[in-house]
Amino acid sequence: GENVEQHPSTLSVQEGDSAVIKCTYSDSASNYFPWYKQELGKGPQLIIDIRSNVGEKKDQRIAVTLNKTAKHFSLHITETQPEDSAVYFCAARRPRGGSNYKLTFGKGTLLTVNP
Amino acid sequence: GAVVSQHPSRVICKSGTSVKIECRSLDFQATTMFWYRQFPKQSLMLMATSNEGSKATYEQGVEKDKFLINHASLTLSTLTVTSAHPEDSSFYICSASVGSESSYNSPLHFGNGTRLTVT
Repeated sequence: GENVEQHPSTLSVQEGDSAVIKCTYSDSASNYFPWYKQELGKGPQLIIDIRSNVGEKKDQRIAVTLNKTAKHFSLHITETQPEDSAVYFCAARRPRGGSNYKLTFGKGTLLTVNP
Repeated sequence: GAVVSQHPSRVICKSGTSVKIECRSLDFQATTMFWYRQFPKQSLMLMATSNEGSKATYEQGVEKDKFLINHASLTLSTLTVTSAHPEDSSFYICSASVGSESSYNSPLHFGNGTRLTVT
């Protein structure tokens, strides 16, 4: 099955700096890669996703890059703010209709943005 | 759009009792919903895939007789923890995708979770 590795497990940055979280996946059939932000006591919130036919996607201060050949994808947050502090999870999924159509999550990154 | 509502947000029950958790897709129909369990400071562990009108598919190691899943409509799935024990205490989260089986890689949206404490 799919295995998703996520690094770092914790990340502390100063407000205004950039934060980068990296994930690798093992299943070359995976073609959908979402990122979730989870605040304490809440469910994960989808913040951005990318499909395998795209190399990069950006939404304001958040961007995701995908390298299919190397099987890794990264989340980039620029101009970080204290409210960005949360746990971030990456995930990977195979196409619908095939076997194992389910998200496999990384172990999460606790991001702390210091004012 | 794409709101998933989960109820209750917190529940405390006594050992041996059963607890039902509801997951609703408020503004879309979901033929498939997923139930996850999350331990403190850990990632989400998929427990089962809930399919409307058919039996749920459970992940390896998850007891189907203990975690009963019912997906009777396109907007509601329920998870019942039967004969709960303290080790069942956890954060349970449901999720759903927008669209039908023909949708291609629709995003997965999560509810806000249910904190279950078994005393």
